[in-house]
Amino acid sequence: AQSVAQPEDQVNVAEGNPLTVKCTYSVSGNPYLFWYVQYPNRGLQFLLKYITGDNLVKGSYGFEAEFNKSQTSFHLKKPSALVSDSALYFCAVRDDVSGNTPLVFGKGTRLSVIA
Amino acid sequence: KAGVTQTPRYLIKTRGQQVTLSCSPISGHRSVSWYQQTPGQGLQFLFEYFSETQRNKGNFPGRFSGRQFSNSRSEMNVSTLELGDSALYLCASSSNRGPAKAFFGQGTRLTVV
Repeated sequence: AQSVAQPEDQVNVAEGNPLTVKCTYSVSGNPYLFWYVQYPNRGLQFLLKYITGDNLVKGSYGFEAEFNKSQTSFHLKKPSALVSDSALYFCAVRDDVSGNTPLVFGKGTRLSVIA
Repeated sequence: KAGVTQTPRYLIKTRGQQVTLSCSPISGHRSVSWYQQTPGQGLQFLFEYFSETQRNKGNFPGRFSGRQFSNSRSEMNVSTLELGDSALYLCASSSNRGPAKAFFGQGTRLTVV
């Protein structure tokens, strides 16, 4: 069964500094990987996804993520953090074995960007 | 295109009661998934429906059930509510393609007292 780990419950970063939110995964086949963001009292919003191809994926709001197959990681990054990036971030994975497996989420990482 | 709509947004129920939550997916999406979000456990997968059939099921007790109608709208039911069922329940819809992204509703906040 697929699983996702987000090792940090909380990440604090100063505005203007680069940020990284970590994610590792486990699947039987090849992974489809996703990042979502959640603002207070809202549902989840899609940021980016990796299916195949380039290991560096670019997404919404200046975010990008790097797929590393050997380390089974898919860390979310942004070169320069904004206070408005403060939110709850979720990594998710779906196994491509059958294409019908559910999307499984990590427990989330709360990002706090300090002015 | 309208997004995923969940109703109601907020619910307060008493222990032992039952509750039904509703989700209308994006037009054309036939896959609907339900998740329970709590501060300690994050997002936990409940079940997924596709074309009125339950395709996947998470590790939740039988008190949690769901169904999907021919128009792809889905309902989730929780019977004999417990205090621990208090959570944000999120619905997501997607097309049937494997790497397709999921679109989430704003959720139903259930409080059991």
